[in-house]
Amino acid sequence: SQQGEEDPQALSIQEGENATMNCSYKTSINNLQWYRQNSGRGLVHLILIRSNEREKHSGRLRVTLDTSKKSSSLLITASRAADTASYFCATISGGSYIPTFGRGTSLIVHP
Amino acid sequence: EAQVTQNPRYLITVTGKKLTVTCSQNMNHEYMSWYRQDPGLGLRQIYYSMNVEVTDKGDVPEGYKVSRKEKRNFPLILESPSPNQTSLYFCASSPPRTATHNYGYTFGSGTRLTVV
Repeated sequence: SQQGEEDPQALSIQEGENATMNCSYKTSINNLQWYRQNSGRGLVHLILIRSNEREKHSGRLRVTLDTSKKSSSLLITASRAADTASYFCATISGGSYIPTFGRGTSLIVHP
Repeated sequence: EAQVTQNPRYLITVTGKKLTVTCSQNMNHEYMSWYRQDPGLGLRQIYYSMNVEVTDKGDVPEGYKVSRKEKRNFPLILESPSPNQTSLYFCASSPPRTATHNYGYTFGSGTRLTVV
């Protein structure tokens, strides 16, 4: 069952611009994770935010979490062509230890 | 290097011919999971395992089997593959989540399976 849903499905920007992707989910969560996937490759874990956290940073990445709206956003600042990839949010809920993934946002950064 | 290793990377097979996709991790992780990825459907979980000899069905387990006889290995078995199992498969592993520690998953590089 799909828990997280990313928005937009696709995003095309110029190098240097910021990219924002959103994730909405249905049920309460323990934590939310963001992953990146380069074409045809395995997913790479980017950042994890716990349900009691509101914002987290890692390099050029900024993740926010609003549990009242059941949503999260991933901001990539000063994007680079190498950021071109698909980005997935994954949620862990209740007693489950296994992340449930959304369908992803496809990001294209033009040089 | 800490990693999840899947083999093979590419496989073309015929309907009904049993196959096994291997998955091995060298991080002593308890949790392991198999996903399939299809266009427009995202990642869907097939089976997962929370420790040795403990396996559970995910969202799309039909047509698949798994085993977890030892901590490092979690093979995916297709007893009688069919064309609708043509997909990109990923194995992933993680330490267990505790009250104070939450972890992301480490993914393998994927196995692209075509069943003709």
